[in-house]
Amino acid sequence: GENVEQHPSTLSVQEGDSAVIKCTYSDSASNYFPWYKQELGKRPQLIIDIRSNVGEKKDQRIAVTLNKTAKHFSLHITETQPEDSAVYFCAASKTGGFKTIFGAGTRLFVKA
Amino acid sequence: DAGVIQSPRHEVTEMGQEVTLRCKPISGHNSLFWYRQTMMRGLELLIYFNNNVPIDDSGMPEDRFSAKMPNASFSTLKIQPSEPRDSAVYFCASTRTGGQPQHFGDGTRLSIL
Repeated sequence: GENVEQHPSTLSVQEGDSAVIKCTYSDSASNYFPWYKQELGKRPQLIIDIRSNVGEKKDQRIAVTLNKTAKHFSLHITETQPEDSAVYFCAASKTGGFKTIFGAGTRLFVKA
Repeated sequence: DAGVIQSPRHEVTEMGQEVTLRCKPISGHNSLFWYRQTMMRGLELLIYFNNNVPIDDSGMPEDRFSAKMPNASFSTLKIQPSEPRDSAVYFCASTRTGGQPQHFGDGTRLSIL
């Protein structure tokens, strides 16, 4: 069935370093890939997304890349700050489908 | 845009009691999702609706769980009878359609004693 695998499950970086989270998806019909950030005790919130007609998208310190052939997409956070500490979820869905398939999440710790 | 509204925010009750969680999706959104989140199992999709019709309830753990969506602006998730292992944060989310971002409510933190 449809599946999204996310790695690593935990990531610890020093403030100012970069962080990379990787995901692979199984359904080749997927064409929409959102990323959510969930801070402790709060709801998941969309931080960036990418569609399959685009290979890369950037918004300030965060960027996403997509490799449709490999069915692989990644989140890159540069110049990490302590407030980036949270759980990050990747996800995949498709136009005309109903549900979004979420990865298991990556817990990011940014050490000051 | 008021966002997805869930109630109550917190619920503490004794095992065996009936629990009802409520959700109001964003106006104009056609799909509604119920998730359960725990440390052990992460974010689990329980059930989702499209145009008020349940599409897939394969994530509902047991017959003790039921969900309804009587109209486009309201959904309930009911647990009867509740058990301590049902303790979790339950999120409701809505979206316009597939290929669009889901918007999550603030969740209901449920504790069954």
